[in-house]
Amino acid sequence: QQPVQSPQAVILREGEDAVINCSSSKALYSVHWYRQKHGEAPVFLMILLKGGEQKGHDKISASFNEKKQQSSLYLTASQLSYSGTYFCGTVQGGGKLIFGQGTELSVKP
Amino acid sequence: GAVVSQHPSWVICKSGTSVKIECRSLDFQATTMFWYRQFPKQSLMLMATSNEGSKATYEQGVEKDKFLINHASLTLSTLTVTSAHPEDSSFYICSVTGGTSGSTDTQYFGPGTRLTVL
Repeated sequence: QQPVQSPQAVILREGEDAVINCSSSKALYSVHWYRQKHGEAPVFLMILLKGGEQKGHDKISASFNEKKQQSSLYLTASQLSYSGTYFCGTVQGGGKLIFGQGTELSVKP
Repeated sequence: GAVVSQHPSWVICKSGTSVKIECRSLDFQATTMFWYRQFPKQSLMLMATSNEGSKATYEQGVEKDKFLINHASLTLSTLTVTSAHPEDSSFYICSVTGGTSGSTDTQYFGPGTRLTVL
């Protein structure tokens, strides 16, 4: 079952903040976040493994609410380099990573 | 993290021909590799799980006779698109998992292969 992301797209000015949400109708045991630039492969951002876990690097962080079966990715003080499509992924049987439909983020100067 | 390469980076072929794409894990041995396909402006869709020394496991709706997967060694998996048609044109990406247990494994992706079938 594919996780659902929202919003589908967001446009920001440099320095603004954004939140991307990922939810699943099935129980979540972990959430993976990736960013993909146009024409390139996805790049790993982070994994959240436990309910209540929060994690971050630089100005990108994420939280995982196991009870609500959802995760959120927070981008603060966005930079031009943050532009791309963000995918959340959930692991299903056999270690298969199933991606959400993606959120396209555009950061303008 | 793991370093994954794919070859070729892009390929253009005529309809009806077969195309082989290689995925290599460069710095560790991968018993499991995954193959994804991505159409423009869409998400990555898992096609199959490639297991070293055994048959691949295909996702529902993926034709196993059309997309042949061979995982003959711990560092190499190949995807062959047989009798390719224009609708097979897509971005094919492989990934390897960096561990051996469940959902904690990070997946590392190759750079992808863009297939265009004329």
